Amino acid sequence: AQSVTQPDIHITVSEGASLELRCNYSYGATPYLFWYVQSPGQGLQLLLKYFSGDTLVQGIKGFEAEFKRSQSSFNLRKPSVHWSDAAEYFCAVGAQGGSYIPTFGRGTSLIVHP
Amino acid sequence: GAGVSQSPRYKVAKRGQDVALRCDPISGHVSLFWYQQALGQGPEFLTYFQNEAQLDKSGLPSDRFFAERPEGSVSTLKIQRTQQEDSAVYLCASSREQALTQPQHFGDGTRLSIL
Repeated sequence: AQSVTQPDIHITVSEGASLELRCNYSYGATPYLFWYVQSPGQGLQLLLKYFSGDTLVQGIKGFEAEFKRSQSSFNLRKPSVHWSDAAEYFCAVGAQGGSYIPTFGRGTSLIVHP
Repeated sequence: GAGVSQSPRYKVAKRGQDVALRCDPISGHVSLFWYQQALGQGPEFLTYFQNEAQLDKSGLPSDRFFAERPEGSVSTLKIQRTQQEDSAVYLCASSREQALTQPQHFGDGTRLSIL
C-alpha cells in the first residue's frame, strides 16, 4: 500500500524568501506524485504532478517539485514566496497501473510573514 | 457549470439525525470521488463512481454512510444516524476519466458539524 509523509505541520517564511515543503512517499514501484494547495474554506487545487520523464516538474503559480527516487521524496519549492501563497499544501501519491485513488499526506500549513 | 459544486456549504445537525450532501460534478466528467477531511488532516477516500456505477466504496467508515449517483451526474452522500465523529469537511472531486493521469477537480466541500 502507498503512503505519504509530510514531516512539517507548519512552515513559516518571510515574504520574498524561498520555500521548500517536504514530502516522502512509500510505494514499491514508480509512483504518480501530486502537490495540491487548499486555501481556507476551499477545495484542493492541483499545483503540479509527476508521472514519468524529467524529474523536475514545473507547476502553476511559480512552483516546482523534484522527484528523487533514491530518497523517495517529492519536495515542493518556490524561489520567492508571496503573501497569497499562505495556504495548506498536500502531497499525494498514486500507484501506476494500480489503484486510481490517490493517498494524501496530512498537509503542511504555510504561514507567510510580511 | 464551470467547476464542481457542492451543497450545502455548511450543515449543522444533531446527533442521530440523517443528512444528505450533494455534489454536482463538471459536466461530462465520468469519474466522481467523495473524500472526508477531518480537521488538520488530508482528504481520506470514501467512495468512487464511474458514471452511475459505484466501483469502490471501501473507504466508507460504516454502513451508516451511503452514496449514489443514479444518472451518472449529480451524486448524493447520505449519512444516517449521525455521530459526533462524522464532523468533518466532505469533499467531492470529478475527473474526465478513470485514471490518475487525469486531474481531479475538487469542489469547495461541505463542512458538517454534528452537535
